Amino acid sequence: NAGVTQTPKFRILKIGQSMTLQCTQDMNHNYMYWYRQDPGMGLKLIYYSVGAGITDKGEVPNGYNVSRSTTEDFPLRLELAAPSQTSVYFCASSYLLLGTGEEGYTFGSGTRLTVV
Amino acid sequence: TQLLEQSPQFLSIQEGENLTVYCNSSSVFSSLQWYRQEPGEGPVLLVTVVTGGEVKKLKRLTFQFGDARKDSSLHITAAQPGDTGLYLCAGYNFNKFYFGSGTKLNVKP
Repeated sequence: NAGVTQTPKFRILKIGQSMTLQCTQDMNHNYMYWYRQDPGMGLKLIYYSVGAGITDKGEVPNGYNVSRSTTEDFPLRLELAAPSQTSVYFCASSYLLLGTGEEGYTFGSGTRLTVV
Repeated sequence: TQLLEQSPQFLSIQEGENLTVYCNSSSVFSSLQWYRQEPGEGPVLLVTVVTGGEVKKLKRLTFQFGDARKDSSLHITAAQPGDTGLYLCAGYNFNKFYFGSGTKLNVKP
């Protein structure tokens, strides 16, 4: 199994450009998440989805959008890139709703985004 | 606001030494997880603890959840270079997991 696959691995954007970070999972997980990881700040939840067609905001949703048209895919869209969005972005999935058992996230390997 | 504080931030030790890293909060968590992250990769789950006072062992790693479920520790016995990585704790509360900023461990051969 590939698990959670993220593309691209690296990207440099100019201020004001837009892009989509792709995320796909082949584990038939209902729940998917987008996190950003900044040095010394831990992982912050951007958006999450509990199933196809359902998404909700996390801690830091401003400047981002998501969609979930299929169980497998959960793309993250940046419409007007800003330097504050320079970060490493991780997509994750889980079979159960986390916190209800001992299951953890399955993370992708990340996308390193630099906005200049 | 950082709900979870991890200490130390950085730790560099020789192979064979023992070490303990800490994850502390003023909040009570219903469960807590530990992850290890290697450079260029996503975090990988090591363990979940759910009961106050619970101790779990994973080979040379021992995890403990505080009695009040506000803190946790990870103890590594006889560290090896393969233990090198960023260790993250994540506490579950208010329907979300909150991550600490991590302890970066370097084990020198």
